[in-house]
Amino acid sequence: SYELTQPPSVSVSPGQTARITCSGDALPKQYAYWYQQKPGQAPVLVIYKDSERPSGIPERFSGSSSGTTVTLTISGVQAEDEADYYCQSADSSGTYEVFGGGTKLTVL
Amino acid sequence: QVQLQESGPGLVKPSETLSLTCTVSGGSISSYYWSWIRQPAGKGLEWIGRIYTSGSTNYNPSLKSRVTMSVDTSKNQFSLKLSSVTAADTAVYYCARGDTVTTAIDYWGQGTLVTVSS
Repeated sequence: SYELTQPPSVSVSPGQTARITCSGDALPKQYAYWYQQKPGQAPVLVIYKDSERPSGIPERFSGSSSGTTVTLTISGVQAEDEADYYCQSADSSGTYEVFGGGTKLTVL
Repeated sequence: QVQLQESGPGLVKPSETLSLTCTVSGGSISSYYWSWIRQPAGKGLEWIGRIYTSGSTNYNPSLKSRVTMSVDTSKNQFSLKLSSVTAADTAVYYCARGDTVTTAIDYWGQGTLVTVSS
């Protein structure tokens, strides 16, 4: 079955830039989406279609894609950005969706 | 503002069928697709499947043999049935809306914990 691979954890100091990667063989063909989840809360969409930002999401959140890897970049990280981040995409045929294993972002 | 609310038993016995309903308020159920996602305690998100208002469905291949989704547009509700449950199906279950334009899952319910135990 199709899998998306994320690093388990990323740590940055406030004001620095955090980059979270997500790798998958079908990513050149399928869009990626990113969700932020804080403890006890439902996930929140922060990036869609690789690099689009929903209304209400701060500009410091951005997304990019290169080959089989997509990247969520958080510029000028703030303490409130500490959360789990999940990428999501579809298999090559678009039949089913998959989530990455999640990355815990720690703000030092 | 669109809101989604999951409802159903919080405790299901092993080998029985888990049944959940999601009620959508603040907007029409039409022109979107509707998903179920679950999350075991302390673990990541798992996509269960989605249903379009036409009734067309797509399921996670690993769960496909046990999953049935349905939609009732007259009640603005959609439902999940997962048969032959085991302790491994214990999780917070989320219902969510998919936007056919952005193709993103953009609204989520608060989630409901379902425990499988005798």
